[in-house]
Amino acid sequence: GNSVTQMEGPVTLSEEAFLTINCTYTATGYPSLFWYVQYPGEGLQLLLKATKADDKGSNKGFEATYRKETTSFHLEKGSVQVSDSAVYFCALSYNFNKFYFGSGTKLNVKP
Amino acid sequence: EPEVTQTPSHQVTQMGQEVILRCVPISNHLYFYWYRQILGQKVEFLVSFYNNEISEKSEIFDDQFSVERPDGSNFTLKIRSTKLEDSAMYFCASSEGHTGELFFGEGSRLTVL
Repeated sequence: GNSVTQMEGPVTLSEEAFLTINCTYTATGYPSLFWYVQYPGEGLQLLLKATKADDKGSNKGFEATYRKETTSFHLEKGSVQVSDSAVYFCALSYNFNKFYFGSGTKLNVKP
Repeated sequence: EPEVTQTPSHQVTQMGQEVILRCVPISNHLYFYWYRQILGQKVEFLVSFYNNEISEKSEIFDDQFSVERPDGSNFTLKIRSTKLEDSAMYFCASSEGHTGELFFGEGSRLTVL
């Protein structure tokens, strides 16, 4: 079947630390991969995406590379800020209609 | 900035009661969705809606569930006879097209007692 597994949180980091949130997927075909973010008091919003193997998605200093060989799409940022505190969701989709999300990873960044 | 709004933010109901969750999608969007997240679990797809009909639904979306766009602005999810296991956060989303960018509301938390 199709599913996404992401690391459990919460993840607590100090400002300017390096961030990695792991995401692995199981897929029956060749999906597109996504990271969505939910800031406190807001709905989920698209952070970045990659549509094929070896593509790198990037936005707001965050990056993730679509790795077919390891079925992974890990989210990274070189230097986190307090404003990055949020819940991060990894997802896959074949048709941009139905998405398979993970359970979310909460990130807390302390000043 | 346009946003998706959902009401109510929290609803508590008794098992067997009907519940309607309401959503106002972004005005020029054409595709509408409902997802839900049971506490501690994954966000699950329920249904997608386009051109006034369901375009895709999951196995969760059984006869107890229905969706409607009654007046061109609201998009509703009705649960006819709620069960304990329907307790979850329900997210409405909309998109302009099939770009992969869904715009979500903050969610409606449903608690079934």
